[in-house]
Amino acid sequence: NAGVTQTPKFRVLKTGQSMTLLCAQDMNHEYMYWYRQDPGMGLRLIHYSVGEGTTAKGEVPDGYNVSRLKKQNFLLGLESAAPSQTSVYFCASSSGGAETQYFGPGTRLLVL
Amino acid sequence: SQELEQSPQSLIVQEGKNLTINCTSSKTLYGLYWYKQKYGEGLIFLMMLQKGGEEKSHEKITAKLDEKKQQSSLHITASQPSHAGIYLCGSNSGYALNFGKGTSLLVTP
Repeated sequence: NAGVTQTPKFRVLKTGQSMTLLCAQDMNHEYMYWYRQDPGMGLRLIHYSVGEGTTAKGEVPDGYNVSRLKKQNFLLGLESAAPSQTSVYFCASSSGGAETQYFGPGTRLLVL
Repeated sequence: SQELEQSPQSLIVQEGKNLTINCTSSKTLYGLYWYKQKYGEGLIFLMMLQKGGEEKSHEKITAKLDEKKQQSSLHITASQPSHAGIYLCGSNSGYALNFGKGTSLLVTP
C-alpha cells in the first residue's frame, strides 16, 4: 500500500501563475484534507472533503480551490499564486471525521 | 476552534536522557492525537488517547491524557537520535484536527 501520495514534491512558481497539487490515497478513505504548514503557525486546515463530490472550507481557504471528483483523489488549486502562499502543503485522509488521519509526504511550494 | 498549547517549543537533550512534552487545551479534549514529523518529511501517527487517565506506550514513547481531559503528555525514555523531529499534538474538532504548533526535539550524542 502506498498510503497517501502527493504530487509534485517541490515546485517554484512566479506570482500570478496557477498550479494544481494532487493528492491520492489507496485506503478507501471517505475524508480527505489539505493543510498548510508555516514556521510558527503550525498546521492549518485549508479545505476538506467528507466524500466524493463534496468539499468544504477550513480555517484558511482564501486563494485556494479544491475538487474531489474521485474518492481516491483530492486536488488543491492555486488560481493566481501569491508569495504568501509559499508553504509546505500536506494532504491527509481518514475513514471518518473522528478517526486517525494519515498524512502524505508534503509538497514544498515557493512563490517568487 | 480549540487551541492547543505545546511546551516546550524546542528541546535539546543528550542521548540516553528522558524527556517530556506537554500539550494543554482550555477545553475538554475529545480525541487527542500525537504525531511525529521528521525534518522535511510528512507526519507519522504515534498514538491516540480518548479516555481520561488513559495511557498508551509504543516502544520507548508513552503518552498520557489527564483525568480532566485537558492536558496530555508525551514521555520518551532513554532518548535516541532516531527520536529527533517535531512532535505535534492534535485534537479532534469533529471533522478535522486542530494542531498545536509543535515541539522540536534534537538529540545530541
